[in-house]
Amino acid sequence: ETGVTQSPTHLIKTRGQQVTLRCSSQSGHNTVSWYQQALGQGPQFIFQYYREEENGRGNFPPRFSGLQFPNYSSELNVNALELDDSALYLCASSYGLATYNEQFFGPGTRLTVL
Amino acid sequence: GIQVEQSPPDLILQEGANSTLRCNFSDSVNNLQWFHQNPWGQLINLFYIPSGTKQNGRLSATTVATERYSLLYISSSQTTDSGVYFCAVEGGSQGNLIFGKGTKLSVKP
Repeated sequence: ETGVTQSPTHLIKTRGQQVTLRCSSQSGHNTVSWYQQALGQGPQFIFQYYREEENGRGNFPPRFSGLQFPNYSSELNVNALELDDSALYLCASSYGLATYNEQFFGPGTRLTVL
Repeated sequence: GIQVEQSPPDLILQEGANSTLRCNFSDSVNNLQWFHQNPWGQLINLFYIPSGTKQNGRLSATTVATERYSLLYISSSQTTDSGVYFCAVEGGSQGNLIFGKGTKLSVKP
């Protein structure tokens, strides 16, 4: 069984640029959630995709957007990067919505915005 | 929204000591998970425990859903137990997890 994978591992961008982060869900899972973790804080929910549709969104502006593909892998896109976007971005997968299902996390992408 | 509070925020132990980490949450939930975040940022699943008690080796967890708290017990701690421990609860209709601020554990040899 393949676990959740993310790419790239690290990324450095400058303010105003755009970035795309990728996540492959654990085999058999159809739900992907994205979280942002600032230094010293717990992860904060960005949005969730279930069967290729956005199923819920946290308190993040529209410049954070995403996609889920037919194989259930997912992308997180961030436009017009700001310094405060520097964080660890984590994706999690589950079979079905997380209400009653355990979520499993990938190793994360560490984004630095200069 | 649901609030999740973890205590203590920091904990320093000598190798071999036991510890108890606490997670309080402000409303009823359907899902509660404990994670260990290693120094590289990976969140490792420890327990999926909406209610009841589970044990896995030196670790055990208990959730009392009616009283809105969960406890994580670490016995005979080892230096490899160091890191941040997070409690997370399911946050609403979309099923996202809401995390506490974590307990940072340092185990000294």
